[in-house]
Amino acid sequence: NAGVTQTPKFQVLKTGQSMTLQCAQDMNHEYMSWYRQDPGMGLRLIHYSVGAGITDQGEVPNGYNVSRSTTEDFPLRLLSAAPSQTSVYFCASSSSALEETQYFGPGTRLLVL
Amino acid sequence: GNSVTQMEGPVTLSEEAFLTINCTYTATGYPSLFWYVQYPGEGLQLLLKATKADDKGSNKGFEATYRKETTSFHLEKGSVQVSDSAVYFCALSDGYGNNRLAFGKGNQVVVIP
Repeated sequence: NAGVTQTPKFQVLKTGQSMTLQCAQDMNHEYMSWYRQDPGMGLRLIHYSVGAGITDQGEVPNGYNVSRSTTEDFPLRLLSAAPSQTSVYFCASSSSALEETQYFGPGTRLLVL
Repeated sequence: GNSVTQMEGPVTLSEEAFLTINCTYTATGYPSLFWYVQYPGEGLQLLLKATKADDKGSNKGFEATYRKETTSFHLEKGSVQVSDSAVYFCALSDGYGNNRLAFGKGNQVVVIP
């Protein structure tokens, strides 16, 4: 198993550009989530999904969209990037919303100029 | 809302020294508590967890006890190695079945040979 994979590893955007951060897992996990990690702030939940077709907002959802059309994939979309979205983004998954142990991907480092 | 507080600042210590990282929490309900570790350039990995009061989580020589009376979950290791150098995050899951994790800010641990 590859576990949780994320692409790209690093991306530079200009303000106003759009992009999609990809996340995939091959463990047949129902639950997937996106976090952002900023210096001195730990990780903060952006969006999460308890299964295909179901998504919900986390702590810091503004500026981000998600959809979950398959169990395996959970892309995160930035419609109009802003410098405040410069961060490291982590995708995570767990077998269900009741299984609390989450498995994290290696992260995507995003720089918005 | 739920929150996690970790002690301020990086921790630098010599090989074979005793490590303690403090973690306290604020939560309603019956949260589960976690320690995640992030090695340089990688995503987070679960180190240990405890799901109810007085439970002790342990892994790789690390231990933490869920103390409801002091709302704490301090991480300890009796003899650290250089390979333990990483960032350590305390986290809690609110226990309501939606698997939302609240993280502390993290502590950088540097072990010197």
